[in-house]
Amino acid sequence: DVKVTQSSRYLVKRTGEKVFLECVQDMDHENMFWYRQDPGLGLRLIYFSYDVKMKEKGDIPEGYSVSREKKERFSLILESASTNQTSMYLCASSSPGYNEQFFGPGTRLTVL
Amino acid sequence: KQEVTQIPAALSVPEGENLVLNCSFTDSAIYNLQWFRQDPGKGLTSLLLIQSSQREQTSGRLNASLDKSSGRSTLYIAASQPGDSATYLCAARGGSNYKLTFGKGTLLTVNP
Repeated sequence: DVKVTQSSRYLVKRTGEKVFLECVQDMDHENMFWYRQDPGLGLRLIYFSYDVKMKEKGDIPEGYSVSREKKERFSLILESASTNQTSMYLCASSSPGYNEQFFGPGTRLTVL
Repeated sequence: KQEVTQIPAALSVPEGENLVLNCSFTDSAIYNLQWFRQDPGKGLTSLLLIQSSQREQTSGRLNASLDKSSGRSTLYIAASQPGDSATYLCAARGGSNYKLTFGKGTLLTVNP
């Protein structure tokens, strides 16, 4: 079974802090994704990566950056957290051919 | 720009009933369509993936169909159980990139 893990289930940070969200997958997938999910807005893509050190902006990249130094790990970085970044963050991975996306358990981030 | 709509937003049924969840998309040039289940506060669990060349996929009590020409997909759940209570999301992958466009989901409640 594909396993996607995220470093924290719940996280509370202060405005202005630098925040790192980590995601690891164990299926040697090339593609990895970061989404945020908000009530009434659904899931929105922040960034995705199709290979090590390769990334592309999604629909809402402002205020975020990403890092992919190793194939299995994809990090989302909030350079200076703001209250409007309070959300559920979901990581996913997929292989290039079949393309089924598999999701992690999510990180509920609260910025005070 | 692809838009995915799920109607109804919420559905309540008695246990044992067969039911259909609907998903419509505006751009028929999709690569595949994926159905997910999400329990409260959790990540997404992949249920079924239908490639654009397929008409349907089945897994246990679940059957998903795809009609690209009409821009519609349905998820059929047979003999519903209280454990099926969750939010069901559909997502369409476009033909030219890795991105999934999600609907906002249908919240299903199966009453004992």
